Amino acid sequence: AQSVTQLDSQVPVFEEAPVELRCNYSSSVSVYLFWYVQYPNQGLQLLLKYLSGSTLVKGINGFEAEFNKSQTSFHLRKPSVHISDTAEYFCAVTPMNRDDKIIFGKGTRLHILP
Amino acid sequence: DGGITQSPKYLFRKEGQNVTLSCEQNLNHDAMYWYRQDPGQGLRLIYYSQIVNDFQKGDIAEGYSVSREKKESFPLTVTSAQKNPTAFYLCASQRQVSQSGYTFGSGTRLTVV
Repeated sequence: AQSVTQLDSQVPVFEEAPVELRCNYSSSVSVYLFWYVQYPNQGLQLLLKYLSGSTLVKGINGFEAEFNKSQTSFHLRKPSVHISDTAEYFCAVTPMNRDDKIIFGKGTRLHILP
Repeated sequence: DGGITQSPKYLFRKEGQNVTLSCEQNLNHDAMYWYRQDPGQGLRLIYYSQIVNDFQKGDIAEGYSVSREKKESFPLTVTSAQKNPTAFYLCASQRQVSQSGYTFGSGTRLTVV
């Protein structure tokens, strides 16, 4: 079975500052990894995903994430945040090469301070 | 454009009434999912279906029912047996390959009055 831990439930950061949202996962098999973003009162939208290859993955809106197999982490980063990045961010994992459900973390709420 | 449509966006229900939430997709996706979202609790899986005419219970299926008569449609009924139905409900779909990830609808906010 797989599990996902998002270490911070809320992260406040000043506008134009860098941010890192942390995600660790547990799995006995190889996995695909995802980050989703949810703006208020909306559904989730895929930010980026890691399938294989380069461990640094670039996504939409200037976000990127780095897969670290030894530390079982997939942290999300942005060098300079904007007020429009205010949202909830979900890390997710699913077993590789199997038709199985995606397991989501509990989410991290990003607060951008003016 | 292809996507998932959830309707209505806001729904009010009196206690003791059943209510059905609609989820339609034109992405030709095989699998569909229903999640419930409450503040601070993330996404909790209610039901899912990987093929027409078949569905499985998720983690919190009690008080809910679904059907999957067509590939495009996966309606969720919140029955009077669901003790605390006020929540944000999300529908998602996926091609039958795990690397594609889910596509989500915009959600239905259900309030019991």
